[in-house]
Amino acid sequence: AQKITQTQPGMFVQEKEAVTLDCTYDTSDPSYGLFWYKQPSSGEMIFLIYQGSYDQQNATEGRYSLNFQKARKSANLVISASQLGDSAMYFCGSGGNNRLAFGKGNQVVVIP
Amino acid sequence: DVKVTQSSRYLVKRTGEKVFLECVQDMDHENMFWYRQDPGLGLRLIYFSYDVKMKEKGDIPEGYSVSREKKERFSLILESASTNQTSMYLCASSGSYNSPLHFGNGTRLTVT
Repeated sequence: AQKITQTQPGMFVQEKEAVTLDCTYDTSDPSYGLFWYKQPSSGEMIFLIYQGSYDQQNATEGRYSLNFQKARKSANLVISASQLGDSAMYFCGSGGNNRLAFGKGNQVVVIP
Repeated sequence: DVKVTQSSRYLVKRTGEKVFLECVQDMDHENMFWYRQDPGLGLRLIYFSYDVKMKEKGDIPEGYSVSREKKERFSLILESASTNQTSMYLCASSGSYNSPLHFGNGTRLTVT
């Protein structure tokens, strides 16, 4: 089974600052995808960004970027210029063979 | 826009009851998933299906079964509900291998 590790405790971030959320994964699949989702207090899961294991470039989507280091099995999410609406739980996921596993999540609170 | 609809937002059942959680997606997606989410444990995969009448066990299938008779519908069945199955249940679908998941709004199940 895939194993995703998110070990950071809850984080407080100053508005407009950047924040990095750590994620490491363990997979034996030769081809896999890495995902980040945001879950605000309302509960819906919002897809943020995707990185394929064979992609050469790090993925970016607006203020979100994924720092992919394949050899280290690391897929950190960077949120630039934090906004109050970024306060949420963030889940890292890794998928291969049609199954997607998630980490336990990182809680982020953005303070003005 | 992809819509994944879970039939109930909140459900209260008694120990020993048979419980059906229904999920419908409207985008002709091949893959459908059931997760449960518990505080501190993140999302854990219960079962998934990559085609009609096909199913595969996830990481925590014990006490659950699933049914996929039509492509758009994926049902999670608790054969005999127990209190340790009190949780938030999330259904998701995806269109292809390693593509992002689209989640429903979740069903919060309480077993008393």
